[in-house]
Amino acid sequence: DADVTQTPRNRITKTGKRIMLECSQTKGHDRMYWYRQDPGLGLRLIYYSFDVKDINKGEISDGYSVSRQAQAKFSLSLESAIPNQTALYFCATSDSGWTGEIYNEQFFGPGTRLTVL
Amino acid sequence: DQQVKQNSPSLSVQEGRISILNCDYTNSMLDYFLWYKKYPAEGPTFLISISSIKDKNEDGRFTVFLNKSAKHLSLHIVPSQPGDSAVYFCAASRGGAGSYQLTFGKGTKLSVIP
Repeated sequence: DADVTQTPRNRITKTGKRIMLECSQTKGHDRMYWYRQDPGLGLRLIYYSFDVKDINKGEISDGYSVSRQAQAKFSLSLESAIPNQTALYFCATSDSGWTGEIYNEQFFGPGTRLTVL
Repeated sequence: DQQVKQNSPSLSVQEGRISILNCDYTNSMLDYFLWYKKYPAEGPTFLISISSIKDKNEDGRFTVFLNKSAKHLSLHIVPSQPGDSAVYFCAASRGGAGSYQLTFGKGTKLSVIP
């Protein structure tokens, strides 16, 4: 079973619709992240959460909101979808902690392909 | 302003030869560097990392070299295998213990030809 799951895997919606992407993890990690990837571009951070009560904006948070319902669940919402939000969306998790010279790696889900018409 | 740059969108290498993927960064405050590998229809997976206190880190067929003065890092894969064909992302972070925010390059698509 996958450690980080995302639903749906594919979604087509219309401009102006509200849509929610969901992420669940069984890794027991306290940190969760949402990224988007556009064709020919790297991943860009939308929001991140260090624990249930700690939500932070990333590089490109405008037009998005998030909810950390539990340690294992982190959802991303587009309140009113627009075509330039068409992208591949990835959820990721990581453990907290620091081992002296190694940051804890981020584990990614399989992605959600979102198309806004 | 793109802080992490991968200037080669694609690279083709013969099976068994060395693959060298390059990455440049502009912000000298970045102090931890990672490589992720991504297959189609899957999320990126962590490959190897290096802290700015080192200039080399090796893990099996994969070695990452860091040249801080040139703000350049490279990933060497020796020998290359067809299963290594994927998109490789360079990523970087800064800020000490528990740093969270990764800045990604645009990726390089590696094709290993049998």
